[in-house]
Amino acid sequence: QKEVEQNSGPLSVPEGAIASLNCTYSDRGSQSFFWYRQYSGKSPELIMFIYSNGDKEDGRFTAQLNKASQYVSLLIRDSQPSDSATYLCALRGGGFKTIFGAGTRLFVKA
Amino acid sequence: KAGVTQTPRYLIKTRGQQVTLSCSPISGHRSVSWYQQTPGQGLQFLFEYFSETQRNKGNFPGRFSGRQFSNSRSEMNVSTLELGDSALYLCASRQTGDEAFFGQGTRLTVV
Repeated sequence: QKEVEQNSGPLSVPEGAIASLNCTYSDRGSQSFFWYRQYSGKSPELIMFIYSNGDKEDGRFTAQLNKASQYVSLLIRDSQPSDSATYLCALRGGGFKTIFGAGTRLFVKA
Repeated sequence: KAGVTQTPRYLIKTRGQQVTLSCSPISGHRSVSWYQQTPGQGLQFLFEYFSETQRNKGNFPGRFSGRQFSNSRSEMNVSTLELGDSALYLCASRQTGDEAFFGQGTRLTVV
């Protein structure tokens, strides 16, 4: 089992819709969770981080964490074509090591 | 505030050669970590440094090494290059929290 699992996609949503990206993880000791966005040919860009169970909202983005079920998700409201990118889920536990999922490709259709 | 700076941006090397990549973290950030990104494997953790000490190392062969200097700048070295080492090498810096900020990466091609 991979440490961080994401559906590779592509996930295709129409402009203005809600995009829902999911991630599951195996290490129950994980403490910090992150979502990065990566455009083709560019480096990952941090868009959200969450440490506690529940929801965290930042503009059009909402991160959701459920440690009991070992999943973290990212909702993008009012999706725009500019949101088309690969979204990487990452987590950090003890040991000073951040593990990344393989990423989900999102395509927002205009 | 300047971001994470990686040099060079692009590099072409021949099998068997060695290469050194450089990373200057965001000012005030003392932690630097390195990743290898390939289409097939995604982002793979190489190592992390804090105050000149390696805190953790990923599952890469000993040909991959790194170091960090007193000014927090970091270098990674790959010796005896193989074709499979062709990848985007990313450096990320942290301040006191866990949030990492990436540089633009060095695209290494081994021919």
